[in-house]
Formats: sequence, C-alpha cells, structure tokens
Amino acid sequence: AQTVTQSQPEMSVQEAETVTLSCTYDTSENNYYLFWYKQPPSRQMILVIRQEAYKQQNATENRFSVNFQKAAKSFSLKISDSQLGDTAMYFCASTDSWGKLQFGAGTQVVVTP
Amino acid sequence: GAVVSQHPSRVICKSGTSVKIECRSLDFQATTMFWYRQFPKKSLMLMATSNEGSKATYEQGVEKDKFLINHASLTLSTLTVTSAHPEDSSFYICSARAAGPGTEAFFGQGTRLTVV
Repeated sequence: AQTVTQSQPEMSVQEAETVTLSCTYDTSENNYYLFWYKQPPSRQMILVIRQEAYKQQNATENRFSVNFQKAAKSFSLKISDSQLGDTAMYFCASTDSWGKLQFGAGTQVVVTP
Repeated sequence: GAVVSQHPSRVICKSGTSVKIECRSLDFQATTMFWYRQFPKKSLMLMATSNEGSKATYEQGVEKDKFLINHASLTLSTLTVTSAHPEDSSFYICSARAAGPGTEAFFGQGTRLTVV
C-alpha cells in the first residue's frame, strides 16, 4: 500500500520568489516513481516533474526542481522565479509497479503580484 | 504531450437515470486507463483501473454495479454511472498510460456531473 502526505494546505508566494512544497510518502515497493502534478483553475491535470526512485540525482524541469531524500521518504518541490501562471493546486503522487497513482491531499499555491 | 479527450465536460441528469462518460486517447494506444473522482478542493480518489479487453479492477469501497467501466479498445474507456443520485454528483477524471508505471499518465479534461 502507498500513502502520500502533503501537510501544507496552502502556500502564498510573491512573483519572482521561490516556494518549496513538502511531500512525504510511504511505500512497500522497491521500484516506484514519484510525480508532481499541477491542477490550475481549469482543472486539467498537468505533469510538472517526475522522479525515478532508483535514481539518486534530483530531477529538474526549468524552474521546477525536486529534493528527493529516499531514506527519509521525502520528495519536495521547489518552484523558482514564481510566475502568476504557477497559481494552481499541486499534487504529489507515487505510483506502484502496477502504475496506480496515489495522490496526496494537495497544496494550493497562490502567486501574488 | 499526448492527448486524452474526455466527453462530456459537463452533464446534468435526473435522479434515477444513467449517464455515460467517454475517455479517448487520441494519439497513442492506452493499455491502461484510470478513473478518478474529485470532490471540491480535494484530491483525486482512484475509483478503478481498466485494462483493454479485461474487467476493471475497482478500489475498495467503490460500487462496481453503480460505476460500470468498459475498456473495449486501446483508445477508448467508458464510465457509466447507473441509476444516478444526487450524491453521485462530482468531478470525474480519466487518465491513460501507454506503457509502464514510470511513464507519464495523461489526463482528460474531466467531467462535471450534476444529478438533480
């Protein structure tokens, strides 16, 4: 069984600043993957970044990067140079060997001018 | 990225009737599709996993007789809410994956179901 925990219901950040979203997970799988998805007001789910658990190097996608601490089962997301379009709900997720995504409760990010 | 089309985007139906939601992968073959339900300001709750040509696997607590899932082809899965009631009103989202569990799952636009 997998569980994903996001303990920050909402985070506010000013434009151009940096914000870090926390995520912890628990899994009995040896081979698993971690994801961050964003859901803007349109409610379309969009993949932000993906991390393969067997890779130690932290994934980076432009302004988005993760801090993957496997021993601590932590997978935080850093958004640098925040933009107004980053305003969205962000979900951390893990997937097991069957490909089933387990989502955390989500963190609402609000970027202010 | 790949496109998953979900239809309709909004539907209103009368209590007791059934409604069908379609999920299509437009430019790839989806071996596995997933159906989620999302309540306002809440996370996505996995309802079931469907593989082409086989019966869907439902999550615990999801009534398989109420939420009928069919995955008849590699590009189409349908969710039918049977004998809908107001408590079935929700936002339903499908996702599709082409290959293994580490690959990106692409999501449909979602369907807002309102049962009156």
